[in-house]
Amino acid sequence: DADVTQTPRNRITKTGKRIMLECSQTKGHDRMYWYRQDPGLGLRLIYYSFDVKDINKGEISDGYSVSRQAQAKFSLSLESAIPNQTALYFCATSDLPGLAETRRFFGPGTRLTVL
Amino acid sequence: ILNVEQSPQSLHVQEGDSTNFTCSFPSSNFYALHWYRWETAKSPEALFVMTLNGDEKKKGRISATLNTKEGYSYLYIKGSQPEDSATYLCARTQGGSEKLVFGKGTKLTVNP
Repeated sequence: DADVTQTPRNRITKTGKRIMLECSQTKGHDRMYWYRQDPGLGLRLIYYSFDVKDINKGEISDGYSVSRQAQAKFSLSLESAIPNQTALYFCATSDLPGLAETRRFFGPGTRLTVL
Repeated sequence: ILNVEQSPQSLHVQEGDSTNFTCSFPSSNFYALHWYRWETAKSPEALFVMTLNGDEKKKGRISATLNTKEGYSYLYIKGSQPEDSATYLCARTQGGSEKLVFGKGTKLTVNP
C-alpha cells in the first residue's frame, strides 16, 4: 500500500548533537512537509517542498534545515539539538496540488527527546 | 497567523451517545477547512475537506458542516463507538496558501 514512512520512530539525544529525521513516500506526491506537534499546541509547519528543487520555510523553521534528495525523500535536520526541540515530528505529503481539496497524508511520526 | 480554535478540548461520552464538537476560524479570505482524525500511536488521517459555505459531508456515522460566513464547522458523530476514540483536528487554509493552520484538537474518549 502506498505510504509515508519515517525513520527513526523514536530517538533520544543530547543537547548539541546533530540529528537527522528521514521521510520517504511511495505515493508519488510532489509536495512534502515537516510538522511538529507539542502538547497543548496544534501541528506547526517547519518546512515544505513542492518538488526536488523547491524548499520553503514554515512558521517555525529556526534551528532546522531540510533536504529534498528526491521526489520520494525529504529529510529534516537539527544541526545542534536543544531541549525545546523535544517534540513529535510528522512528515506529510499532499495530493491535488493547487486545488482547495488537497489533503495531507501523514507519516507515523518520530518522537524526539533532547536531553 | 490565523487562529483556529476547537472546543471542547476533551470529551468523554458513553458508547451509543451522539456527540459534536466545534471548530472556529477567521472567516476572511477563506479557502478550505479540513478535519483529521488522529488515533493514539497512529498517523492523522483526513476525514473531510470542505470549501463551500453550507457544505455538508458524511462518512459513515461521522458528518461535518461548514459555515464560512460566520467562521465555524461542526463535526458530528452519531452513535459513538469505542473505536471512535481519537483526537479530531481541524485545520484551515486561506487564499490558496499551502499553509494549513491546525487547531489544538478535541480529544474524544468513548467509554464502552
